[in-house]
Amino acid sequence: DVKVTQSSRYLVKRTGEKVFLECVQDMDHENMFWYRQDPGLGLRLIYFSYDVKMKEKGDIPEGYSVSREKKERFSLILESASTNQTSMYLCASKSGGSLGTQYFGPGTRLLVL
Amino acid sequence: EDKVVQSPLSLVVHEGDTVTLNCSYEVTNFRSLLWYKQEKKAPTFLFMLTSSGIEKKSGRLSSILDKKELFSILNITATQTGDSAVYLCAVRVINTGTASKLTFGTGTRLQVTL
Repeated sequence: DVKVTQSSRYLVKRTGEKVFLECVQDMDHENMFWYRQDPGLGLRLIYFSYDVKMKEKGDIPEGYSVSREKKERFSLILESASTNQTSMYLCASKSGGSLGTQYFGPGTRLLVL
Repeated sequence: EDKVVQSPLSLVVHEGDTVTLNCSYEVTNFRSLLWYKQEKKAPTFLFMLTSSGIEKKSGRLSSILDKKELFSILNITATQTGDSAVYLCAVRVINTGTASKLTFGTGTRLQVTL
């Protein structure tokens, strides 16, 4: 079974803090993704990575950066958290190739005060 | 801009009813369409559709894709309370030279009552 884990289920941070969200997958997948999910807006892609040290902007990258130093780990970084980044953050991974399913982690609910 | 639209936004049915959820899309470089079920946690995969007219079936759930009219439907027959969830439709597009990406609809919230 594919397992995607995220470092925290719930996180509360203050405006201006630097926030790290970690995601780890155990299936040797090449591709990893970060989404945020907000009511009425659905899932929106922030960044994705198709290989170690490779990254590409998704639909809403502003205010975020990512790091992929090892194949199994994909980190999402909020350099200076703002209240409009309060959201549910979902990580996913997928094997290479154009087909294949994305497997999601359990999500991190982030509240920025 | 790639767009995926789901309807209805929300639906309440009685146990035993049959429901049809809709997903239409406007994207460039279409590759496949996926359906997910999301309860309290992360989405779980239901179906992936790549070809028109071929029905995918899993128990009481089935789905079909129409690439000419750019839509897909997800059918659930004999609904049960355990079917209550948000159903997400996503379309995979190919970005030249990089990983494919998914564009999601906002989801249909289904509630099945006794």
